[in-house]
Amino acid sequence: KAGVTQTPRYLIKTRGQQVTLSCSPISGHRSVSWYQQTPGQGLQFLFEYFSETQRNKGNFPGRFSGRQFSNSRSEMNVSTLELGDSALYLCASSPNYGLNQPQHFGDGTRLSIL
Amino acid sequence: AQTVTQSQPEMSVQEAETVTLSCTYDTSESDYYLFWYKQPPSRQMILVIRQEAYKQQNATENRFSVNFQKAAKSFSLKISDSQLGDAAMYFCAYRRRDDKIIFGKGTRLHILP
Repeated sequence: KAGVTQTPRYLIKTRGQQVTLSCSPISGHRSVSWYQQTPGQGLQFLFEYFSETQRNKGNFPGRFSGRQFSNSRSEMNVSTLELGDSALYLCASSPNYGLNQPQHFGDGTRLSIL
Repeated sequence: AQTVTQSQPEMSVQEAETVTLSCTYDTSESDYYLFWYKQPPSRQMILVIRQEAYKQQNATENRFSVNFQKAAKSFSLKISDSQLGDAAMYFCAYRRRDDKIIFGKGTRLHILP
């Protein structure tokens, strides 16, 4: 079974631009979560989707948004990019939504803002 | 607000020895899950072990075991017979019902040959 696939692996953007990251979960998984990982802040939760609905949201500004499609694939969008948005963005999928669901992570997208 | 604290940013252990990574968390909830995740240098994070708060018995997965002290809000990870492949960043995580997962800042574990 293929793992969580994130595209692209690397991305370079400039301030003010917008970016869309994609995540394909493990086949059969219906929950997708997004995280931002930086050396200073560590792993921070962005949002979680299940059945095309956002179930949880972290403390990020409205420039960060996401969505989930009917096939469980998810996209994350960041508008008006800032230097501080440079990070590794990780996507994780779970079979279902719930307390005990283990997260299966992708390799991440490394976003660099110039 | 819930927090997860990993007080050891870095640790080293000799190959074949045992090492314990500490994690404390703050919560007023009684129903929650705790996790340890491992992120090797290749970046992909994988689940090491998980513990349900209601279960008193400590979880074990092969060489990995936890010491869960609910009253003390402590959730340490013990790695026995350390191997070179155990070198990674280890993250402790907390999740309560219908809520987001909160990760600690991580502990970088070095294995000395």
